[in-house]
Amino acid sequence: AQSVTQLDSQVPVFEEAPVELRCNYSSSVSVYLFWYVQYPNQGLQLLLKYLSGSTLVKGINGFEAEFNKSQTSFHLRKPSVHISDTAEYFCAVSDGGNEKLTFGTGTRLTIIP
Amino acid sequence: EAGVAQSPRYKIIEKRQSVAFWCNPISGHATLYWYQQILGQGPKLLIQFQNNGVVDDSQLPKDRFSAERLKGVDSTLKIQPAKLEDSAVYLCASRVGLPPYEQYFGPGTRLTVT
Repeated sequence: AQSVTQLDSQVPVFEEAPVELRCNYSSSVSVYLFWYVQYPNQGLQLLLKYLSGSTLVKGINGFEAEFNKSQTSFHLRKPSVHISDTAEYFCAVSDGGNEKLTFGTGTRLTIIP
Repeated sequence: EAGVAQSPRYKIIEKRQSVAFWCNPISGHATLYWYQQILGQGPKLLIQFQNNGVVDDSQLPKDRFSAERLKGVDSTLKIQPAKLEDSAVYLCASRVGLPPYEQYFGPGTRLTVT
């Protein structure tokens, strides 16, 4: 069975500072990895995904993530955050066979002006 | 391209009442999912449809929850009777049947059971 751990439930960051949101996964097979963002009262929007190939993945809104197979991690980073980045961020894993997404518990990113 | 549509956006009911949610996926998306997102948690899959057939309903509380997708397009999720612990956001998502299996989510229905 696959699982996702997001250790940080809340991350406050000053505006224009860098941020890293941590995600660790467990799975017995090869995986696809995703980061979704959820703005207040909205559904989830895909930020970026790792399927195969380059371990550094770039997404929308200046976010990027690095897949590290040895550490089973897929941390999300942004070099300079903006007030508009305030949202909940979810890491998710899918093994290619069942195509089912398993989500982490989410990290609430709060940007401090 | 229109996104995934859901209605209603908000619903308040009393326990033991029934409620239904509607979802219209993106045109051409054969696979449809219903998720339950309890406050402070990630979405949890309730049921997955491929066209009008059920692929996975292992986490659907079948004694009170039911879902259908009769014509392989839109879908309805029903709860009868509702319990306090059913208070959550119910998200619908859809995807095409080819890699990279990206799921597109609707805005959700926020259910409050009092």
